[in-house]
Amino acid sequence: DAGVIQSPRHEVTEMGQEVTLRCKPISGHDYLFWYRQTMMRGLELLIYFNNNVPIDDSGMPEDRFSAKMPNASFSTLKIQPSEPRDSAVYFCASSLSYRDEQFFGPGTRLTVL
Amino acid sequence: DQQVKQNSPSLSVQEGRISILNCDYTNSMFDYFLWYKKYPAEGPTFLISISSIKDKNEDGRFTVFLNKSAKHLSLHIVPSQPGDSAVYFCAGAYKLSFGAGTTVTVRA
Repeated sequence: DAGVIQSPRHEVTEMGQEVTLRCKPISGHDYLFWYRQTMMRGLELLIYFNNNVPIDDSGMPEDRFSAKMPNASFSTLKIQPSEPRDSAVYFCASSLSYRDEQFFGPGTRLTVL
Repeated sequence: DQQVKQNSPSLSVQEGRISILNCDYTNSMFDYFLWYKKYPAEGPTFLISISSIKDKNEDGRFTVFLNKSAKHLSLHIVPSQPGDSAVYFCAGAYKLSFGAGTTVTVRA
C-alpha cells in the first residue's frame, strides 16, 4: 500500500479564497483523522471519521472549516473563506481502530496571503 | 485547553547518551498513550505506546514510563543516535490529544 496520500502538498492562496485539501486513507482503515500543526499549538485534532461518519468535530475551529468523507477511500477538508491565520500544515491520518497507531500522510502546507 | 503538555520545546544530547523526553497530562480519562516521531517535511510516524494499566513499555532503544499518580510519562532513548534527531510528540487517547512536541537534536 502506498500509505496515506494527501494533495496538494503545498497550497498558496489569497485571503477569502476557498481551499480544499484531499486525503486518501490506507485501504481497510476504518478511522480517518484530520490534524493541523502550528508552532504555537502543535498538533491539533480537527475532526475524525469512523466508517465515513464524522464522530467528533469539536476541534474544527470555525464554521469556515468543513470536512466530508463521501466514501471509504476519500476525504476532503475545506476552508471557505480562508484567512491568513489558517496558514499551517494539515495532516490526514488513518488507523484500524481509534487507539491503534495512526498512519499519517505527508501533510499539506497551506499558506494564506 | 491543552490536555497534554510537553514543557521542553527542545533537547540537545550527545550521541550515545540518553535522551529523556517528558510529557504531562491533565485528563485522568486517558487510558492509552502514544509517542510519535516526526522528521521535517514528513508526517509523524508511530514510535511506541503504553496502556494505562502498565507503568513501562520497552521496544529496543525506546522505553516509555508512565506514572499515573503524577500524570506524567517519559520517553527514554538509549543510546541516542544522530537519526533520532526529530520532533517527538506524545499523545493521550480517550479523546485524542497531542502535545506541542519536543525537538531532539543528537550531536555527533
